[in-house]
Amino acid sequence: DVKVTQSSRYLVKRTGEKVFLECVQDMDHENMFWYRQDPGLGLRLIYFSYDVKMKEKGDIPEGYSVSREKKERFSLILESASTNQTSMYLCASSFFGTGNAEAFFGQGTRLTVV
Amino acid sequence: AQSVSQHNHHVILSEAASLELGCNYSYGGTVNLFWYVQYPGQHLQLLLKYFSGDPLVKGIKGFEAEFIKSKFSFNLRKPSVQWSDTAEYFCAVNGGHNDMRFGAGTRLTVKP
Repeated sequence: DVKVTQSSRYLVKRTGEKVFLECVQDMDHENMFWYRQDPGLGLRLIYFSYDVKMKEKGDIPEGYSVSREKKERFSLILESASTNQTSMYLCASSFFGTGNAEAFFGQGTRLTVV
Repeated sequence: AQSVSQHNHHVILSEAASLELGCNYSYGGTVNLFWYVQYPGQHLQLLLKYFSGDPLVKGIKGFEAEFIKSKFSFNLRKPSVQWSDTAEYFCAVNGGHNDMRFGAGTRLTVKP
């Protein structure tokens, strides 16, 4: 089974802190994604990566950055956490190709910024 | 970039009723389409997917979806819902650039 593991299920951080969310996948997928999930808004794409050291902005990249130094690991960084970044963060991975690969998701990290 | 619209935000049905959830996308090229389900407290799971070929695709748990290219639609259907189908359902589109976009989701409540 494909496994996508997010390092924390719940996090509470203070406004202004730098926050790291880690994601690891074990299926040698080329693509990795970070979404945030908010009620009524669905999943919104923050960043994705199709190869090591490659990254592409999604729809809501402001206030976030990412790092992919190894194929299996994709980190989301909140440079200076703010209360409007309180949300559920979902990591996913998939094979690279003609776009016909399904995404596999982690359990999510519920981040609260106080 | 591609985008996805799900028209129903919250659907309430009784057991054994038929279900149809709407999904429309905007993208001019070849698309791959997906429906995911999220049961309470669980991670997203794939219900079904369309890549090419027969536009009527069957998924797990009795769900099916029909791709209508002329309408840019990929509606999800189930002839008879069960209480255990209570969940949130997300339509997604992958437009070939490896970035997958999701709709806002439809919350389904099935009354026993």
